[in-house]
Amino acid sequence: GQQVMQIPQYQHVQEGEDFTTYCNSSTTLSNIQWYKQRPGGHPVFLIQLVKSGEVKKQKRLTFQFGEAKKNSSLHITATQTTDVGTYFCAGPNFGNEKLTFGTGTRLTIIP
Amino acid sequence: DTAVSQTPKYLVTQMGNDKSIKCEQNLGHDTMYWYKQDSKKFLKIMFSYNNKELIINETVPNRFSPKSPDKAHLNLHINSLELGDSAVYFCASTRGHYGYTFGSGTRLTVV
Repeated sequence: GQQVMQIPQYQHVQEGEDFTTYCNSSTTLSNIQWYKQRPGGHPVFLIQLVKSGEVKKQKRLTFQFGEAKKNSSLHITATQTTDVGTYFCAGPNFGNEKLTFGTGTRLTIIP
Repeated sequence: DTAVSQTPKYLVTQMGNDKSIKCEQNLGHDTMYWYKQDSKKFLKIMFSYNNKELIINETVPNRFSPKSPDKAHLNLHINSLELGDSAVYFCASTRGHYGYTFGSGTRLTVV
């Protein structure tokens, strides 16, 4: 079945440093979605990318969808304590209703 | 106004018991889901309903039975609870293939 892996599994950064998480799918995706889950909270939808090579920005967050639509990345510039949490990518197969979540990257910030 | 609400938030019960988790969404979404998040934070889909029709039924023990009385509600009944069922269960909803809205989760602990 479809597998979606993320690296790294954990990332500890000093406040103000940049952070990147990478997402790789075993199959081609119709779109890629990103979610953030704060400690003790629930996943919250951040963004969806649909087009091959698409890049979208939300303030300090930059999301990219690979040309082959099998990988994606999330980059955070100048991290803040509010960025703490687990970031998940998720994607459905073409013609498949099922959204498979990545393994997640847990970000902690050292003040 | 809570968009996707789950009850109860916490559930502690003994092995062998039967329990139910309820979910309601007021977003007018047509598809609802149950996801299980284990201690390692992996999010795995269990079931999906579209307008009260079951469309995704992953490899889940028969002890788990979803029910959707209408498109705004999706409940999860679990029979003969086992220790391994301990996890956080999230309900989610979506319209089409866009971002999912998650409930706040039900933390189930089987003792």
